[in-house]
Amino acid sequence: AQSVTQPDIHITVSEGASLELRCNYSYGATPYLFWYVQSPGQGLQLLLKYFSGDTLVQGIKGFEAEFKRSQSSFNLRKPSVHWSDAAEYFCAVVWTTDSWGKFQFGAGTQVVVTP
Amino acid sequence: EPEVTQTPSHQVTQMGQEVILRCVPISNHLYFYWYRQILGQKVEFLVSFYNNEISEKSEIFDDQFSVERPDGSNFTLKIRSTKLEDSAMYFCASSEGEGVDQHFGDGTRLSIL
Repeated sequence: AQSVTQPDIHITVSEGASLELRCNYSYGATPYLFWYVQSPGQGLQLLLKYFSGDTLVQGIKGFEAEFKRSQSSFNLRKPSVHWSDAAEYFCAVVWTTDSWGKFQFGAGTQVVVTP
Repeated sequence: EPEVTQTPSHQVTQMGQEVILRCVPISNHLYFYWYRQILGQKVEFLVSFYNNEISEKSEIFDDQFSVERPDGSNFTLKIRSTKLEDSAMYFCASSEGEGVDQHFGDGTRLSIL
C-alpha cells in the first residue's frame, strides 16, 4: 500500500543549529515529492518540490531536500535554524500512477526552536 | 502575492445541520481541491475539481459532501448533515496546472456540537 512516513513527531533544536526532518515513502511507482510548512493558525506553504532531475533541490527560507531513491527518502534540511522556523512540517507525495492533486501527506513533524 | 482565501475562519454548527465552507482560489488557477485535517491527524485529500466537475474524490468524500463553483470566483464545500466526526480543519487549495504547486488557504476550523 502507498504510504508516507515522517518518523519524528516532534523535534527540538537550538537556534543556529542544523535541522534535518525525515520523510520516507513506500510504493513501487515514482513519486513526486513536496515539503510544506504550517505555522500556527496558518495554511500550508510550499517549501520545495521534486519531480525529476537533480536530486538535491533548493527551496524557500534556506531549506533544501535530497531525494534518495535507494532509501525511498526525501529528507528536509536547513544548515542554521532561526526561531521563525518553529512550525509543523509536512512531507507530501503524489504518485505518478495517480491523478494529480491527490496529495498523500505524512503525519507531520513539529519543530520547536529553543534560544 | 495572490492568496487563497477561506471563510469563515471558524464555523460552529449543531450536529445534523448543513454547513457551507467557502473558498476564493487564486484568480488564474483552474484546479481546485479540498483537504481536511482532523485534530492531531494527517492532512487528508477530499476532492479535486476541474472544468466544473469533480476530477477525483477520496473515500471520505461520501454523499454527504458536495462541491460547487457557483460563480467565477468562489469554490464551496457543502456538508449536508454534519456529524461529530466532521469536526476538523478544512483546507482549500488551488493550482494553475494539474496538481502542480498547490496553494493552500489558511483553513476553516469546523466544530460540530
